[in-house]
Amino acid sequence: AQTVTQSQPEMSVQEAETVTLSCTYDTSENNYYLFWYKQPPSRQMILVIRQEAYKQQNATENRFSVNFQKAAKSFSLKISDSQLGDTAMYFCAFMREGGSEKLVFGKGTKLTVNP
Amino acid sequence: NAGVTQTPKFQVLKTGQSMTLQCAQDMNHNSMYWYRQDPGMGLRLIYYSASEGTTDKGEVPNGYNVSRLNKREFSLRLESAAPSQTSVYFCASSMSSAGNEKLFFGSGTQLSVL
Repeated sequence: AQTVTQSQPEMSVQEAETVTLSCTYDTSENNYYLFWYKQPPSRQMILVIRQEAYKQQNATENRFSVNFQKAAKSFSLKISDSQLGDTAMYFCAFMREGGSEKLVFGKGTKLTVNP
Repeated sequence: NAGVTQTPKFQVLKTGQSMTLQCAQDMNHNSMYWYRQDPGMGLRLIYYSASEGTTDKGEVPNGYNVSRLNKREFSLRLESAAPSQTSVYFCASSMSSAGNEKLFFGSGTQLSVL
């Protein structure tokens, strides 16, 4: 079974600075997808970024980028120029190819952006 | 531009009571899901429906039943609520269950069972 580990329960960063959230996963699959979801205090789950395992290039969405290391099974999220609105829980998630029902979440990292 | 709508947003039940959580999506998605979120845990899949007319168990199905009423609606029923079912429940949908589909989530239902 796949597992997703987020080793940082809480993190904080100053506004405008850069922060990196860690995620590791365990799988025997070769083709899969990785996601970072943001959950602000409103509780809404919002997809931040998605990475296909067969793509070597790291995904980027504006201020959000990932460092995907397939051999190390590592998938970290970098937030540049942090903004107060980035304060949220961040969940790393894994999905094997062929089954959205197999979306497995990590336990989350609570990120606080300080003014 | 509703997306995924869940009702109610909050609910308090006594042990043994029953209730149904409602979920509807207006994006013509084929697949729908129910998750629960507990403190210190990620989201865990309760049940899912890959397409209209089908439902399957997820990771934590015990104590729950689901109904895919039509393509738009997917309800979750607690027949006899227990304190262990106190949680935040999320409904989600995706175009398909192919594996790389983006999931769209509702805003959640905070359920407390006393």
